[in-house]
Amino acid sequence: KQEVTQIPAALSVPEGENLVLNCSFTDSAIYNLQWFRQDPGKGLTSLLLIQSSQREQTSGRLNASLDKSSGRSTLYIAASQPGDSATYLCAVDSNYQLIWGAGTKLIIKP
Amino acid sequence: DGGITQSPKYLFRKEGQNVTLSCEQNLNHDAMYWYRQDPGQGLRLIYYSQIVNDFQKGDIAEGYSVSREKKESFPLTVTSAQKNPTAFYLCASSIALQQPQHFGDGTRLSIL
Repeated sequence: KQEVTQIPAALSVPEGENLVLNCSFTDSAIYNLQWFRQDPGKGLTSLLLIQSSQREQTSGRLNASLDKSSGRSTLYIAASQPGDSATYLCAVDSNYQLIWGAGTKLIIKP
Repeated sequence: DGGITQSPKYLFRKEGQNVTLSCEQNLNHDAMYWYRQDPGQGLRLIYYSQIVNDFQKGDIAEGYSVSREKKESFPLTVTSAQKNPTAFYLCASSIALQQPQHFGDGTRLSIL
């Protein structure tokens, strides 16, 4: 059974720092992996989607990588800003269902 | 603007009562989903629908029911059989299964 883990559960860094969020999964047979952002009390916004055949995707200051063989993905955020403060969730598409991590709560201190 | 609308934003249920959460999309998406989110846990799939008049159980369907009579609507009923319904409920849609999902702003359900 696919399991997705995100460590750490929370992270606080000063504004301007580059940072990396981690996501690991137990079964490498995935269709794709997605990163989402969730603001408090809100729904989710899709940030990046990496197909199983891809190694990385970039959007602005965000870069997501995928290593299926090791069951890992990272989300790199460059030059962090207070507006990046949110919970970041990763989800793997496995057998027509998204399996979700519990998220990393990110706080960017001004 | 195209999007997904969930209503109400907050909902309160009395013991033994059924309640229905609304989800409407105008994105012309075929697939729709209902998730439950509890603190400190990942989202869990309740039901999903690949196309109109079809739906499938997810991992935690017990105590819930859905219908998909129209493409744009996928209401979720939380029945009295769901013993721990307090949670944040999220609806999503996608063009098809295994395509990027778009989410509504959620409904927070609490028990009186």
